[in-house]
Amino acid sequence: DIVMTQTPLSSPVTLGQPASISCRSSQSLVHSDGNTYLSWLQQRPGQPPRLLIYKISNRFSGVPDRFGGSGAGTDFTLRISRVEPEDVGVYYCMQATQFPLSFGGGTKVEIK
Amino acid sequence: EVELVESGGGLVQPGGSLRLSCVASGFTFSSYWMSWVRQVPGKGLEWVASSEQDSAQYYVDSVKGRFTIFRDSAKNSLYLQMNSLRAEDTAVYYCARSELGAFNYWGQGTLVTVSS
Repeated sequence: DIVMTQTPLSSPVTLGQPASISCRSSQSLVHSDGNTYLSWLQQRPGQPPRLLIYKISNRFSGVPDRFGGSGAGTDFTLRISRVEPEDVGVYYCMQATQFPLSFGGGTKVEIK
Repeated sequence: EVELVESGGGLVQPGGSLRLSCVASGFTFSSYWMSWVRQVPGKGLEWVASSEQDSAQYYVDSVKGRFTIFRDSAKNSLYLQMNSLRAEDTAVYYCARSELGAFNYWGQGTLVTVSS
Protein backbone atom coordinates (compact mmCIF):
# COMPACT_ATOMS: atom_id res chain seq x y z
CA ASP A 1 0.00 0.00 0.00
CA ILE A 2 1.15 3.56 -0.72
CA VAL A 3 1.58 5.73 2.36
CA MET A 4 1.19 9.47 1.93
CA THR A 5 3.05 11.69 4.39
CA GLN A 6 2.32 15.39 4.66
CA THR A 7 4.37 18.10 6.35
CA PRO A 8 3.91 20.25 8.28
CA LEU A 9 0.96 19.16 10.42
CA SER A 10 0.08 22.79 10.98
CA SER A 11 1.02 25.95 9.15
CA PRO A 12 0.32 29.32 10.80
CA VAL A 13 0.60 31.96 8.09
CA THR A 14 0.23 35.71 7.83
CA LEU A 15 -2.46 37.00 5.51
CA GLY A 16 -0.98 37.90 2.14
CA GLN A 17 2.08 35.74 2.69
CA PRO A 18 2.84 32.45 0.90
CA ALA A 19 2.31 28.98 2.31
CA SER A 20 3.72 25.67 1.23
CA ILE A 21 2.70 22.09 2.03
CA SER A 22 4.76 19.03 1.25
CA CYS A 23 3.49 15.55 0.43
CA ARG A 24 5.68 12.50 0.04
CA SER A 25 4.57 9.07 -1.14
CA SER A 26 6.17 5.80 -0.08
CA GLN A 27 6.54 4.78 -3.72
CA SER A 28 6.41 6.42 -7.12
CA LEU A 29 3.00 7.68 -8.17
CA VAL A 30 3.72 7.36 -11.88
CA HIS A 31 0.99 5.15 -13.29
CA SER A 32 1.60 2.64 -16.08
CA ASP A 33 -0.35 4.98 -18.36
CA GLY A 34 2.29 7.67 -17.80
CA ASN A 35 0.13 9.91 -15.63
CA THR A 36 0.79 10.79 -12.00
CA TYR A 37 -2.47 10.76 -10.08
CA LEU A 38 -1.63 13.09 -7.24
CA SER A 39 -4.30 15.56 -6.21
CA TRP A 40 -4.79 18.19 -3.51
CA LEU A 41 -8.01 18.87 -1.64
CA GLN A 42 -9.08 21.63 0.70
CA GLN A 43 -11.53 21.12 3.55
CA ARG A 44 -12.86 24.25 5.16
CA PRO A 45 -14.35 23.94 8.66
CA GLY A 46 -17.70 22.19 8.57
CA GLN A 47 -17.53 21.55 4.83
CA PRO A 48 -16.87 18.51 2.66
CA PRO A 49 -13.53 18.35 0.87
CA ARG A 50 -13.10 20.31 -2.35
CA LEU A 51 -10.73 19.47 -5.18
CA LEU A 52 -8.05 22.07 -5.84
CA ILE A 53 -5.40 20.37 -7.98
CA TYR A 54 -5.33 17.14 -9.99
CA LYS A 55 -2.49 15.31 -11.71
CA ILE A 56 0.14 17.23 -9.74
CA SER A 57 -0.38 20.70 -11.14
CA ASN A 58 -3.74 21.12 -12.87
CA ARG A 59 -6.11 23.53 -11.18
CA PHE A 60 -9.71 22.36 -11.02
CA SER A 61 -12.49 24.56 -12.36
CA GLY A 62 -13.02 27.69 -10.28
CA VAL A 63 -9.86 27.32 -8.19
CA PRO A 64 -8.00 30.64 -7.82
CA ASP A 65 -4.62 30.86 -9.50
CA ARG A 66 -2.91 31.58 -6.17
CA PHE A 67 -3.00 27.79 -5.69
CA GLY A 68 -0.30 25.85 -7.48
CA GLY A 69 0.99 22.30 -7.43
CA SER A 70 4.35 20.85 -8.41
CA GLY A 71 6.49 17.78 -8.00
CA ALA A 72 7.21 14.42 -9.53
CA GLY A 73 7.69 10.78 -8.57
CA THR A 74 7.35 10.72 -4.80
CA ASP A 75 7.67 14.38 -3.78
CA PHE A 76 4.96 16.96 -4.27
CA THR A 77 4.17 20.47 -3.09
CA LEU A 78 1.10 22.64 -2.84
CA ARG A 79 1.79 26.36 -2.74
CA ILE A 80 -0.52 29.22 -1.93
CA SER A 81 1.08 32.40 -3.28
CA ARG A 82 -0.80 34.82 -0.99
CA VAL A 83 -2.96 33.39 1.77
CA GLU A 84 -6.48 34.78 2.00
CA PRO A 85 -8.89 34.41 4.95
CA GLU A 86 -10.99 31.85 3.05
CA ASP A 87 -7.94 29.58 2.69
CA VAL A 88 -8.18 28.54 6.34
CA GLY A 89 -8.80 24.81 6.61
CA VAL A 90 -7.15 21.44 6.26
CA TYR A 91 -5.38 20.41 3.08
CA TYR A 92 -4.96 16.82 1.96
CA CYS A 93 -2.93 15.20 -0.75
CA MET A 94 -4.30 12.03 -2.31
CA GLN A 95 -2.96 9.36 -4.61
CA ALA A 96 -5.13 7.49 -7.09
CA THR A 97 -2.34 5.69 -8.92
CA GLN A 98 -2.84 2.41 -7.11
CA PHE A 99 -5.52 0.76 -4.99
CA PRO A 100 -6.06 1.17 -2.12
CA LEU A 101 -6.37 4.89 -2.76
CA SER A 102 -4.81 6.88 0.06
CA PHE A 103 -4.71 10.34 1.58
CA GLY A 104 -2.10 12.24 3.48
CA GLY A 105 -2.82 12.97 7.11
CA GLY A 106 -3.71 16.58 6.43
CA THR A 107 -2.12 19.99 7.03
CA LYS A 108 -4.02 22.64 8.93
CA VAL A 109 -3.59 26.14 7.55
CA GLU A 110 -4.47 28.86 10.03
CA ILE A 111 -3.92 32.58 10.23
CA LYS A 112 -1.32 33.91 12.64
CA GLU B 1 -24.62 21.69 -11.96
CA VAL B 2 -23.20 18.52 -10.44
CA GLU B 3 -24.86 17.53 -7.18
CA LEU B 4 -24.40 14.53 -4.93
CA VAL B 5 -26.79 13.98 -2.02
CA GLU B 6 -26.15 11.25 0.52
CA SER B 7 -28.67 9.73 2.90
CA GLY B 8 -29.15 6.68 5.07
CA GLY B 9 -26.82 7.40 7.93
CA GLY B 10 -27.83 7.00 11.55
CA LEU B 11 -27.24 5.14 14.77
CA VAL B 12 -26.78 1.38 14.53
CA GLN B 13 -25.66 -1.26 17.01
CA PRO B 14 -22.42 -3.18 16.53
CA GLY B 15 -23.02 -6.09 14.20
CA GLY B 16 -25.89 -4.30 12.52
CA SER B 17 -26.42 -3.19 8.93
CA LEU B 18 -27.06 0.06 7.14
CA ARG B 19 -27.42 1.08 3.51
CA LEU B 20 -26.19 4.47 2.38
CA SER B 21 -27.51 6.12 -0.76
CA CYS B 22 -26.12 8.86 -2.96
CA VAL B 23 -28.33 10.46 -5.58
CA ALA B 24 -26.43 12.15 -8.39
CA SER B 25 -27.60 14.87 -10.74
CA GLY B 26 -26.16 17.24 -13.31
CA PHE B 27 -24.06 14.69 -15.17
CA THR B 28 -24.27 11.34 -16.95
CA PHE B 29 -23.98 9.07 -13.92
CA SER B 30 -23.20 5.90 -15.85
CA SER B 31 -20.08 7.46 -17.39
CA TYR B 32 -18.14 8.00 -14.19
CA TRP B 33 -16.36 6.08 -11.48
CA MET B 34 -18.03 6.74 -8.15
CA SER B 35 -16.60 6.28 -4.69
CA TRP B 36 -17.24 6.40 -0.96
CA VAL B 37 -14.80 8.16 1.36
CA ARG B 38 -15.21 8.38 5.12
CA GLN B 39 -13.97 10.67 7.84
CA VAL B 40 -14.05 10.15 11.57
CA PRO B 41 -15.13 13.54 12.99
CA GLY B 42 -12.05 15.64 13.63
CA LYS B 43 -9.77 13.19 11.79
CA GLY B 44 -8.50 12.62 8.26
CA LEU B 45 -9.99 11.14 5.12
CA GLU B 46 -10.10 7.43 4.34
CA TRP B 47 -11.05 5.92 1.00
CA VAL B 48 -13.60 3.14 1.43
CA ALA B 49 -14.71 1.82 -1.96
CA SER B 50 -14.96 2.66 -5.65
CA SER B 51 -17.21 1.49 -8.44
CA GLU B 52 -16.08 1.51 -12.03
CA GLN B 53 -18.80 2.25 -14.55
CA ASP B 54 -21.06 -0.82 -14.18
CA SER B 55 -18.15 -3.18 -13.71
CA ALA B 56 -15.40 -3.62 -11.14
CA GLN B 57 -15.51 -2.65 -7.49
CA TYR B 58 -12.60 -1.93 -5.19
CA TYR B 59 -12.45 -1.84 -1.40
CA VAL B 60 -10.11 -0.91 1.41
CA ASP B 61 -9.06 -4.09 3.24
CA SER B 62 -10.83 -3.14 6.47
CA VAL B 63 -14.29 -3.33 4.83
CA LYS B 64 -13.79 -6.20 2.38
CA GLY B 65 -16.41 -8.88 2.91
CA ARG B 66 -18.58 -6.52 4.99
CA PHE B 67 -19.35 -3.60 2.67
CA THR B 68 -20.69 -3.68 -0.88
CA ILE B 69 -20.68 -0.75 -3.28
CA PHE B 70 -23.20 -0.86 -6.08
CA ARG B 71 -25.03 1.49 -8.37
CA ASP B 72 -28.34 1.86 -10.17
CA SER B 73 -27.85 3.97 -13.28
CA ALA B 74 -31.60 4.10 -13.91
CA LYS B 75 -31.94 5.94 -10.60
CA ASN B 76 -28.63 7.84 -10.88
CA SER B 77 -27.78 6.39 -7.52
CA LEU B 78 -24.77 4.96 -5.74
CA TYR B 79 -25.13 2.76 -2.68
CA LEU B 80 -23.01 1.36 0.11
CA GLN B 81 -24.41 -1.69 1.86
CA MET B 82 -22.67 -1.97 5.21
CA ASN B 83 -22.99 -5.21 7.20
CA SER B 84 -21.35 -6.43 10.40
CA LEU B 85 -20.73 -2.86 11.46
CA ARG B 86 -18.08 -2.10 14.04
CA ALA B 87 -17.44 0.88 16.29
CA GLU B 88 -14.47 1.81 14.10
CA ASP B 89 -16.83 2.29 11.13
CA THR B 90 -18.26 5.36 12.87
CA ALA B 91 -17.63 8.28 10.51
CA VAL B 92 -19.11 10.75 8.10
CA TYR B 93 -19.46 8.97 4.76
CA TYR B 94 -19.03 11.02 1.61
CA CYS B 95 -20.02 10.11 -1.91
CA ALA B 96 -17.57 11.41 -4.52
CA ARG B 97 -17.30 11.44 -8.30
CA SER B 98 -14.00 10.46 -9.83
CA GLU B 99 -12.46 11.99 -12.91
CA LEU B 100 -8.87 12.30 -14.15
CA GLY B 101 -7.68 10.39 -11.10
CA ALA B 102 -9.20 12.74 -8.55
CA PHE B 103 -12.40 13.20 -6.59
CA ASN B 104 -13.75 16.31 -8.25
CA TYR B 105 -17.22 16.48 -6.70
CA TRP B 106 -18.30 15.56 -3.19
CA GLY B 107 -21.59 15.30 -1.37
CA GLN B 108 -22.23 16.87 2.02
CA GLY B 109 -21.86 13.54 3.79
CA THR B 110 -23.99 11.37 6.06
CA LEU B 111 -23.02 10.41 9.61
CA VAL B 112 -22.92 6.76 10.62
CA THR B 113 -22.62 6.02 14.33
CA VAL B 114 -22.03 2.45 15.47
CA SER B 115 -22.72 2.17 19.16
CA SER B 116 -24.70 0.14 21.66
